[in-house]
Amino acid sequence: AQSVSQHNHHVILSEAASLELGCNYSYGGTVNLFWYVQYPGQHLQLLLKYFSGDPLVKGIKGFEAEFIKSKFSFNLRKPSVQWSDTAEYFCAVGKADGLTFGKGTHLIIQP
Amino acid sequence: DTAVSQTPKYLVTQMGNDKSIKCEQNLGHDTMYWYKQDSKKFLKIMFSYNNKELIINETVPNRFSPKSPDKAHLNLHINSLELGDSAVYFCASSHLTGSAETQYFGPGTRLLVL
Repeated sequence: AQSVSQHNHHVILSEAASLELGCNYSYGGTVNLFWYVQYPGQHLQLLLKYFSGDPLVKGIKGFEAEFIKSKFSFNLRKPSVQWSDTAEYFCAVGKADGLTFGKGTHLIIQP
Repeated sequence: DTAVSQTPKYLVTQMGNDKSIKCEQNLGHDTMYWYKQDSKKFLKIMFSYNNKELIINETVPNRFSPKSPDKAHLNLHINSLELGDSAVYFCASSHLTGSAETQYFGPGTRLLVL
């Protein structure tokens, strides 16, 4: 069965720090990978996704992620975080019947 | 202008009751979904549905049933509510069915069973 692992459950950073959130998946076939964000009190929004082509994917709000097939990883990065990036971040694998999510990473940015 | 909407936003009820949560999308999408987010923020797919097929996650109790009066709506009906059903329920939709499809989420319904 497919699974998604996010190793960092809570991350606290200062503004302007660089961010990298880890995501690993287990699936033998072609994968479609997503990062969603949930700001406090809001619904999930798509940050970026990968399904083919360039393994370095750029998303909204300065986020990017790199698909490394050999490592089964799809880590999320941002060079300089802002206080407004405080949120819950979810990595997910796409399946025909829905998304399989990781357990999420709670990111707190301190001013 | 809301793409995916859910009602109610909050639902507090007693154990044993039957309740429904409504979901509507105005995106013209073919496929809709229900997810459950537990107290630890873990999101899990419950159902996916298009006009041809309903796929039910095997872990979902049969007290939960999706009902789709038309392509734009997928309501969630829950019978005999239990304490463990307390969670946030998210509806989502996508243009087509497929693993590469972007899903658009509703604002969630926070259910509390007392």
